[in-house]
Amino acid sequence: NAGVTQTPKFRILKIGQSMTLQCTQDMNHNYMYWYRQDPGMGLKLIYYSVGAGITDKGEVPNGYNVSRSTTEDFPLRLELAAPSQTSVYFCASSYGDRDYEQYFGPGTRLTVT
Amino acid sequence: QQPVQSPQAVILREGEDAVINCSSSKALYSVHWYRQKHGEAPVFLMILLKGGEQKGHDKISASFNEKKQQSSLYLTASQLSYSGTYFCGTDPQTGANNLFFGTGTRLTVIP
Repeated sequence: NAGVTQTPKFRILKIGQSMTLQCTQDMNHNYMYWYRQDPGMGLKLIYYSVGAGITDKGEVPNGYNVSRSTTEDFPLRLELAAPSQTSVYFCASSYGDRDYEQYFGPGTRLTVT
Repeated sequence: QQPVQSPQAVILREGEDAVINCSSSKALYSVHWYRQKHGEAPVFLMILLKGGEQKGHDKISASFNEKKQQSSLYLTASQLSYSGTYFCGTDPQTGANNLFFGTGTRLTVIP
C-alpha cells in the first residue's frame, strides 16, 4: 500500500496562475480531506469529501475548488493564485468520519510570488 | 474554535516525562492527537471519544475531561524518537465533519 500520495512535492506559482494539486489514496477510504498548514501554525481544513460525488466546505474554502469523481482521487484546484495561498497543503483520508484516524500524504509546498 | 495548546515548546532529556495540554472553548465530541516531525506529514497517535473510549498508540496515554473540555497527552520515559510537534485536533459537538487543530507543542528530546 502506498497510502496517500500527493503531487507535486513543490511548486512556485505566479500571482493569478492556476494549478491543481493531486491526491490519491489506495486504502479504499470514503473520507478525504484537504488541509493547509501555514508556518508555525496548525492545520486548517479547506474542503472534505465523504464519498465520490460528495464534497463540502471546511474552515477556509475561499480561493479553492475540489471534485471527487472516484473513491481514490481528490484533486484541489487553485484558480487565481494569491500570495496568501503560500502554504503547505496536506491531503488526508480516513475509513470513517469523526471516530477514525486520518492518514496524511507527504504534502505539497506551494509558494505564490 | 481553535483549541489552545500548552506549553508551546518543551525540552526534555531522554527518560524524562512530559504532559501536553489542549483546551477548547466548545463542548467536544472527541479529541485527536497527532505528531509531526519536521518536513513530514502528521502521524496519528490517539483519539479520545466522549464517553471514555480511546483508540491509538499503546505506548502513549492521554486523558479527556469532557466537562472541562480539556485533554492531556502524557509522554513517559521519553525517547529521542518522541521529538516533533504535537497537535491536538478537537471535534465540536456540532455534527460537522471538521477537526480544529491547535498551533502545536514542539517537543525536543536530547540525549
